[in-house]
Amino acid sequence: DSGVTQTPKHLITATGQRVTLRCSPRSGDLSVYWYQQSLDQGLQFLIQYYNGEERAKGNILERFSAQQFPDLHSELNLSSLELGDSALYFCASSPPPGGTYNEQFFGPGTRLTVL
Amino acid sequence: SQQGEEDPQALSIQEGENATMNCSYKTSINNLQWYRQNSGRGLVHLILIRSNEREKHSGRLRVTLDTSKKSSSLLITASRAADTASYFCATDDSGGSYIPTFGRGTSLIVHP
Repeated sequence: DSGVTQTPKHLITATGQRVTLRCSPRSGDLSVYWYQQSLDQGLQFLIQYYNGEERAKGNILERFSAQQFPDLHSELNLSSLELGDSALYFCASSPPPGGTYNEQFFGPGTRLTVL
Repeated sequence: SQQGEEDPQALSIQEGENATMNCSYKTSINNLQWYRQNSGRGLVHLILIRSNEREKHSGRLRVTLDTSKKSSSLLITASRAADTASYFCATDDSGGSYIPTFGRGTSLIVHP
């Protein structure tokens, strides 16, 4: 158990819908990262937050957004869902300062299926 | 952005044998990390090697880093069926982003 929690574990929804994925980092970790893992694209970095502020952006679609709240939990919002958004979505956290030696601790993931 | 690429894509061995996986990357890095992922589960950090280190050990794991060749290898000695998983290398950009970029992984199957 990494100490990172993600809910829900599974999510099945229809195209065009909107969903919210939730992540709670390990106690004391200030950085939260979101990743998308699909068979054809591998593990893709989406976005990073550090202590409530957006720190880095990767291959995140405009239909996707995220935020980190004062209690450091984070939410990833996916809207206007398409079949191709079906994937495993992982959240990871890392201890401060989020600099060079950035071992990440991954949550168990949310499996999203868009029908 | 740079990306580590693991080789081979898949590896099948018998219990007790050693497993070697390689990772190549494109530009200068701060550090390189290896992660393990059991099917459908989250990634688990195995080992981090800094750019000024050449070799590191952790239990049955041995990691080497050759910055001149921009490559790393992960050796698992005396493999066990429980080592069956996918293994990923992750590199970060010495230019300052510190965001690990993952390769597509090596799928290791250890037969009992």
